Amino acid sequence: ETGVTQTPRHLVMGMTNKKSLKCEQHLGHNAMYWYKQSAKKPLELMFVYNFKEQTENNSVPSRFSPECPNSSHLFLHLHTLQPEDSALYLCASSRDGQGGYGYTFGSGTRLTVV
Amino acid sequence: QKEVEQNSGPLSVPEGAIASLNCTYSDRGSQSFFWYRQYSGKSPELIMSIYSNGDKEDGRFTAQLNKASQYVSLLIRDSQPSDSATYLCAVKRETSGSRLTFGEGTQLTVNP
Repeated sequence: ETGVTQTPRHLVMGMTNKKSLKCEQHLGHNAMYWYKQSAKKPLELMFVYNFKEQTENNSVPSRFSPECPNSSHLFLHLHTLQPEDSALYLCASSRDGQGGYGYTFGSGTRLTVV
Repeated sequence: QKEVEQNSGPLSVPEGAIASLNCTYSDRGSQSFFWYRQYSGKSPELIMSIYSNGDKEDGRFTAQLNKASQYVSLLIRDSQPSDSATYLCAVKRETSGSRLTFGEGTQLTVNP
Protein backbone atom coordinates (compact mmCIF):
# COMPACT_ATOMS: atom_id res chain seq x y z
CA GLU A 1 0.00 0.00 0.00
CA THR A 2 1.25 3.47 -0.81
CA GLY A 3 0.06 7.00 -0.15
CA VAL A 4 -2.89 7.76 2.08
CA THR A 5 -5.61 5.14 2.43
CA GLN A 6 -9.09 5.86 3.74
CA THR A 7 -11.83 3.42 4.64
CA PRO A 8 -14.67 3.06 4.07
CA ARG A 9 -15.09 4.79 0.70
CA HIS A 10 -18.83 5.21 1.25
CA LEU A 11 -20.85 5.26 4.45
CA VAL A 12 -24.57 5.65 5.08
CA MET A 13 -25.58 6.03 8.70
CA GLY A 14 -28.60 6.95 10.71
CA MET A 15 -28.59 9.83 13.12
CA THR A 16 -28.40 7.50 16.13
CA ASN A 17 -25.57 5.34 14.79
CA LYS A 18 -21.93 5.32 15.82
CA LYS A 19 -19.32 4.75 13.15
CA SER A 20 -15.64 5.44 12.58
CA LEU A 21 -13.60 6.57 9.61
CA LYS A 22 -10.07 5.29 9.27
CA CYS A 23 -7.04 6.83 7.63
CA GLU A 24 -3.57 5.35 7.22
CA GLN A 25 -0.56 6.97 5.58
CA HIS A 26 2.45 5.09 4.25
CA LEU A 27 4.58 8.14 3.44
CA GLY A 28 6.47 8.57 6.69
CA HIS A 29 4.78 11.93 7.21
CA ASN A 30 4.51 13.48 10.64
CA ALA A 31 1.30 15.47 10.36
CA MET A 32 -2.23 14.30 9.59
CA TYR A 33 -5.44 16.21 8.98
CA TRP A 34 -9.19 15.78 8.66
CA TYR A 35 -10.97 18.01 6.15
CA LYS A 36 -14.66 18.23 5.25
CA GLN A 37 -15.74 18.99 1.70
CA SER A 38 -19.34 20.01 1.10
CA ALA A 39 -20.87 20.92 -2.23
CA LYS A 40 -20.13 24.46 -3.40
CA LYS A 41 -17.98 25.21 -0.32
CA PRO A 42 -14.24 25.34 0.20
CA LEU A 43 -12.47 22.55 1.99
CA GLU A 44 -12.94 23.02 5.73
CA LEU A 45 -10.16 22.06 8.11
CA MET A 46 -11.45 20.02 11.06
CA PHE A 47 -8.45 18.68 12.99
CA VAL A 48 -4.66 18.71 12.81
CA TYR A 49 -2.28 16.22 14.43
CA ASN A 50 1.48 16.68 14.58
CA PHE A 51 3.49 13.70 15.82
CA LYS A 52 0.17 12.21 17.01
CA GLU A 53 -0.64 15.23 19.19
CA GLN A 54 -3.69 17.30 18.32
CA THR A 55 -2.61 20.84 17.49
CA GLU A 56 -5.78 22.26 15.98
CA ASN A 57 -9.49 21.77 16.47
CA ASN A 58 -11.35 24.13 14.19
CA SER A 59 -14.43 24.49 16.44
CA VAL A 60 -15.74 21.13 15.34
CA PRO A 61 -18.90 19.85 17.12
CA SER A 62 -18.27 17.16 19.70
CA ARG A 63 -20.23 14.61 17.66
CA PHE A 64 -16.96 14.33 15.71
CA SER A 65 -14.20 12.81 17.81
CA PRO A 66 -10.71 12.30 16.35
CA GLU A 67 -8.13 9.79 17.50
CA CYS A 68 -4.50 9.52 16.47
CA PRO A 69 -2.76 6.52 18.06
CA ASN A 70 0.47 7.06 16.09
CA SER A 71 1.83 9.18 13.25
CA SER A 72 0.55 6.76 10.62
CA HIS A 73 -3.06 6.29 11.70
CA LEU A 74 -5.93 8.68 12.18
CA PHE A 75 -9.54 7.97 13.04
CA LEU A 76 -12.68 10.06 13.07
CA HIS A 77 -15.37 8.69 15.38
CA LEU A 78 -18.90 9.75 14.53
CA HIS A 79 -22.02 9.72 16.71
CA THR A 80 -25.46 11.31 16.64
CA LEU A 81 -24.73 13.08 13.38
CA GLN A 82 -27.10 15.41 11.57
CA PRO A 83 -28.14 15.31 7.91
CA GLU A 84 -26.09 18.47 7.29
CA ASP A 85 -22.98 16.47 8.20
CA SER A 86 -23.33 14.59 4.93
CA ALA A 87 -20.19 15.40 2.94
CA LEU A 88 -16.90 14.06 1.65
CA TYR A 89 -14.45 13.60 4.52
CA LEU A 90 -10.84 13.79 3.45
CA CYS A 91 -7.79 12.72 5.36
CA ALA A 92 -4.45 14.25 4.43
CA SER A 93 -0.86 14.03 5.57
CA SER A 94 2.16 16.27 5.22
CA ARG A 95 5.87 15.84 5.65
CA ASP A 96 6.05 18.19 8.58
CA GLY A 97 3.76 20.05 10.89
CA GLN A 98 4.20 23.27 8.94
CA GLY A 99 2.38 22.19 5.81
CA GLY A 100 4.98 23.93 3.71
CA TYR A 101 5.27 21.07 1.26
CA GLY A 102 1.56 20.70 0.71
CA TYR A 103 -0.64 17.77 1.58
CA THR A 104 -1.24 14.32 0.19
CA PHE A 105 -4.93 13.48 0.35
CA GLY A 106 -6.61 10.15 0.75
CA SER A 107 -9.45 9.10 -1.53
CA GLY A 108 -12.05 10.27 0.97
CA THR A 109 -15.13 8.84 2.61
CA ARG A 110 -18.47 9.89 1.14
CA LEU A 111 -20.74 10.11 4.18
CA THR A 112 -24.52 10.25 3.99
CA VAL A 113 -26.53 10.79 7.16
CA VAL A 114 -30.15 9.72 6.92
CA GLN B 1 -13.35 39.35 2.02
CA LYS B 2 -12.61 35.67 1.47
CA GLU B 3 -9.15 34.53 2.50
CA VAL B 4 -8.61 32.75 -0.81
CA GLU B 5 -10.72 33.68 -3.79
CA GLN B 6 -10.98 31.96 -7.14
CA ASN B 7 -13.15 32.55 -10.16
CA SER B 8 -15.89 29.98 -9.64
CA GLY B 9 -16.24 29.36 -13.35
CA PRO B 10 -17.06 27.17 -15.02
CA LEU B 11 -14.24 27.86 -17.45
CA SER B 12 -14.48 26.25 -20.85
CA VAL B 13 -11.62 26.15 -23.37
CA PRO B 14 -11.09 24.24 -26.62
CA GLU B 15 -8.57 21.45 -26.82
CA GLY B 16 -5.08 22.78 -27.46
CA ALA B 17 -5.78 26.21 -25.99
CA ILE B 18 -4.22 27.79 -22.91
CA ALA B 19 -6.36 27.64 -19.77
CA SER B 20 -5.73 30.39 -17.23
CA LEU B 21 -6.85 29.94 -13.64
CA ASN B 22 -6.59 32.77 -11.16
CA CYS B 23 -6.46 33.05 -7.39
CA THR B 24 -6.15 35.99 -5.02
CA TYR B 25 -5.47 35.86 -1.29
CA SER B 26 -6.00 38.31 1.50
CA ASP B 27 -3.13 37.65 3.91
CA ARG B 28 0.00 39.46 2.80
CA GLY B 29 2.06 37.22 5.08
CA SER B 30 1.22 34.10 3.09
CA GLN B 31 4.28 32.04 2.26
CA SER B 32 3.44 28.94 0.26
CA PHE B 33 1.00 28.44 -2.56
CA PHE B 34 -0.38 25.26 -4.07
CA TRP B 35 -2.57 24.16 -6.91
CA TYR B 36 -4.59 20.99 -6.57
CA ARG B 37 -6.56 19.21 -9.26
CA GLN B 38 -9.73 17.36 -8.27
CA TYR B 39 -11.57 15.13 -10.67
CA SER B 40 -15.27 14.62 -10.05
CA GLY B 41 -15.79 12.15 -7.22
CA LYS B 42 -12.06 11.99 -6.45
CA SER B 43 -9.77 13.56 -3.89
CA PRO B 44 -7.54 16.58 -4.55
CA GLU B 45 -4.12 15.89 -6.09
CA LEU B 46 -1.21 18.30 -5.70
CA ILE B 47 0.04 19.43 -9.11
CA MET B 48 2.08 22.57 -8.41
CA SER B 49 3.66 24.42 -5.53
CA ILE B 50 5.28 27.85 -5.65
CA TYR B 51 7.03 29.82 -2.95
CA SER B 52 8.71 32.84 -4.55
CA ASN B 53 7.70 35.54 -7.00
CA GLY B 54 7.86 34.66 -10.66
CA ASP B 55 7.04 31.66 -12.79
CA LYS B 56 7.50 27.97 -12.15
CA GLU B 57 7.07 25.55 -15.00
CA ASP B 58 6.39 21.81 -14.88
CA GLY B 59 5.53 20.26 -18.20
CA ARG B 60 2.38 21.88 -19.54
CA PHE B 61 1.72 23.65 -16.24
CA THR B 62 3.06 27.05 -15.20
CA ALA B 63 2.38 28.62 -11.83
CA GLN B 64 2.83 32.37 -11.48
CA LEU B 65 3.14 34.22 -8.19
CA ASN B 66 3.01 37.95 -7.54
CA LYS B 67 3.14 38.61 -3.81
CA ALA B 68 2.86 42.37 -4.20
CA SER B 69 -0.49 41.92 -5.94
CA GLN B 70 -1.40 38.92 -3.77
CA TYR B 71 -2.11 36.93 -6.86
CA VAL B 72 -1.26 33.41 -7.97
CA SER B 73 -2.25 31.79 -11.24
CA LEU B 74 -2.01 28.49 -13.04
CA LEU B 75 -1.60 28.25 -16.79
CA ILE B 76 -2.25 25.00 -18.60
CA ARG B 77 -0.80 24.93 -22.11
CA ASP B 78 -2.06 22.65 -24.87
CA SER B 79 -5.13 21.82 -22.79
CA GLN B 80 -6.44 18.29 -23.08
CA PRO B 81 -9.88 16.85 -22.28
CA SER B 82 -8.17 14.94 -19.46
CA ASP B 83 -7.44 18.31 -17.82
CA SER B 84 -11.17 18.77 -17.23
CA ALA B 85 -11.46 18.98 -13.44
CA THR B 86 -11.88 21.41 -10.58
CA TYR B 87 -8.68 23.27 -9.70
CA LEU B 88 -8.20 24.31 -6.09
CA CYS B 89 -5.88 27.09 -4.97
CA ALA B 90 -4.44 26.65 -1.47
CA VAL B 91 -2.42 29.09 0.59
CA LYS B 92 -0.31 28.64 3.69
CA ARG B 93 -0.22 31.71 5.87
CA GLU B 94 2.82 32.56 7.97
CA THR B 95 0.85 32.43 11.22
CA SER B 96 -1.43 29.50 10.46
CA GLY B 97 0.82 26.64 11.54
CA SER B 98 0.28 23.75 9.18
CA ARG B 99 -3.16 24.87 8.04
CA LEU B 100 -3.77 25.34 4.33
CA THR B 101 -6.65 27.61 3.35
CA PHE B 102 -8.43 26.57 0.18
CA GLY B 103 -10.43 28.50 -2.35
CA GLU B 104 -13.75 27.20 -3.62
CA GLY B 105 -12.19 25.94 -6.81
CA THR B 106 -12.58 26.66 -10.52
CA GLN B 107 -14.23 24.06 -12.70
CA LEU B 108 -12.41 23.67 -16.01
CA THR B 109 -13.85 21.92 -19.05
CA VAL B 110 -11.67 21.27 -22.09
CA ASN B 111 -13.77 20.62 -25.17
CA PRO B 112 -12.46 18.22 -27.84
